[in-house]
Order: sequence, then C-alpha cells, then structure tokens
Amino acid sequence: QQQVKQSPQSLIVQKGGISIINCAYENTAFDYFPWYQQFPGKGPALLIAIRPDVSEKKEGRFTISFNKSAKQFSLHIMDSQPGDSATYFCAASSLSGGGADGLTFGKGTHLIIQP
Amino acid sequence: ETGVTQSPTHLIKTRGQQVTLRCSSQSGHNTVSWYQQALGQGPQFIFQYYREEENGRGNFPPRFSGLQFPNYSSELNVNALELDDSALYLCASSLKILTSGRLYEQFFGPGTRLTVL
Repeated sequence: QQQVKQSPQSLIVQKGGISIINCAYENTAFDYFPWYQQFPGKGPALLIAIRPDVSEKKEGRFTISFNKSAKQFSLHIMDSQPGDSATYFCAASSLSGGGADGLTFGKGTHLIIQP
Repeated sequence: ETGVTQSPTHLIKTRGQQVTLRCSSQSGHNTVSWYQQALGQGPQFIFQYYREEENGRGNFPPRFSGLQFPNYSSELNVNALELDDSALYLCASSLKILTSGRLYEQFFGPGTRLTVL
C-alpha cells in the first residue's frame, strides 16, 4: 500500500514560471515532510522540509504548503530555472517516534524547465 | 564537514552471489539508514542502524542484512542476489538524540549502482 501519493509524474514548465508538485499521505503518525531533489546519477538532496505545526514554509524560490486536515502538501518552485530540471520526491516520516520506519517516498516527479 | 560517502560507485554481480556495500556517515551523525531505489521509482526503506543495532526495518527479506561500526559507518550485505535486486542503493545519515529519541534530517550519499546479471 503506497502511503505517499505524488503527482504529476512529469511536468514541463517554461522558464520563469511556477512549478507545482502535489503529495497526499495516509498515515496520521507522520510529522515530518521533506522534499528531495535528485539529478541523474546522484543521491537525493534535501531541498526543504516542513513540520505539521505550520501551514507554509518558504526558502528562497521554494515553498512548501501544508494542509493537515486534507493530509496534503505541495512544493512550489517560483521563477523556475533550467537548472531546476530534476526529479523531485516528496517524503514523510515520524521523527518524534525516532524515524525507525524510515522515510516513505512518493514515486517522484520528473520536472523539465524549458528555456 | 564531510558529507555521506559510499563505495563502490558501481558493481556488477551474478545471480546467487553475495555483495557488501559500504557507507561513511556525515560528521556528527550517529544513525544510518539504507534505501533501495529501482529505476524510475522513489527510494524504498530497507533498515536503519543506531548504536550498532538494527533500529527499524522495511519490507525486505532477511537476506538483506547490515552492520554499523563504532565510528558510525555502515555496511549493507545482500545474499543470494536476484535479478530484481538491481538498483541504486542509497545510504542516509542523520542524528538521533538519545534522551528524546527524536531523529533529525537525513542526508543521502551518492549511492552504489548494483547490477545483477
């Protein structure tokens, strides 16, 4: 049973546009929601993360929006640049529980920013 | 500050063989988690090691085993390799606070690409 559903599977955005990736989770024990960026042949790199006690977190051009009641969260990339072209994964975990169940990842979104 | 490193970068094995992958955690971290990432998929949690013991495990069979050493580095061992074991194996290190049990952010290494023929 997939516990984190991610959409869309692929996304093409024009340079300077806004990229939006959505995720939904099922396990109410999750209390940590990171986004990872992965380039081909590389390991995932932590981009930004949010805890459920806030509804939004912004770091530079990257913003996470979080809706606890709907069990959904999303990544917005403002002013998207060709260098943002990568695969993005949402994930979820229970950090307060020690994270012993690991991170549960979505299936990923392949983002292409066209110049 | 040294990041997470993994070795080897690439590995080719045949069905039935055994393989050992290695990971050095980031400075200051005491917890190591291993993930399997099949082509085109998100990483799947294999297990986590904390204080040299397996602390949690995903849905992987016992032929996947591991070790953590006193310097917090770790090994992933896979016995009786199968074709479906072909994947990118990722190691992630993090810090767990003993008194609270709280785990902090996980940082990934570059991975080891395993091909089973």
